[in-house]
Amino acid sequence: TQLLEQSPQFLSIQEGENLTVYCNSSSVFSSLQWYRQEPGEGPVLLVTVVTGGEVKKLKRLTFQFGDARKDSSLHITAAQPGDTGLYLCAGRLAGGSYIPTFGRGTSLIVHP
Amino acid sequence: GAGVSQSPSNKVTEKGKDVELRCDPISGHTALYWYRQSLGQGLEFLIYFQGNSAPDKSGLPSDRFSAERTGGSVSTLTIQRTQQEDSAVYLCASSLGGGRLNEQFFGPGTRLTVL
Repeated sequence: TQLLEQSPQFLSIQEGENLTVYCNSSSVFSSLQWYRQEPGEGPVLLVTVVTGGEVKKLKRLTFQFGDARKDSSLHITAAQPGDTGLYLCAGRLAGGSYIPTFGRGTSLIVHP
Repeated sequence: GAGVSQSPSNKVTEKGKDVELRCDPISGHTALYWYRQSLGQGLEFLIYFQGNSAPDKSGLPSDRFSAERTGGSVSTLTIQRTQQEDSAVYLCASSLGGGRLNEQFFGPGTRLTVL
């Protein structure tokens, strides 16, 4: 079983649409990170959230950490073709190792 | 360069052969991680180095996999007697330390294909 479940697995939308990607678990995390990966490259960190209920904004991207620190969401407003990529969440278990556990990712395609 | 580099970028090998994958982390980063990424499977943790020691190698899938790090810098991941199920992209990442807030910087990966 996957410790971090991401949904949806695939998303194909038109430029200008809004979307939300989810990262859910039954475990509590001390921190959670979101990465974006483009083809042929390694993942690049977008944000780290550590406090339950925390909301962070990065231009058109809004990240939220659940109150119980078991889930997170990424919302993109007015998606652009440059947002295309694989979005990965990664969490470090509370009281556990500092090695992050990754979800399987959400593959996003934004059509012009 | 300023980022994490990996070589080769692509490797095609025959089943049963040994392969070595190399990772050059960012200078000054003490922590180094190896991951494996298969289609639709996310990133699978393999091994973590702090300096030259590997306090966590719990992710290595079998004894055919080994890794070392020398001089607190370059790391090599070796796969012996490769199998077709070893085909994947192998990613290396480094960070300043191993703490929960440390950002991991990833290399572009080595795509391994075992025929």
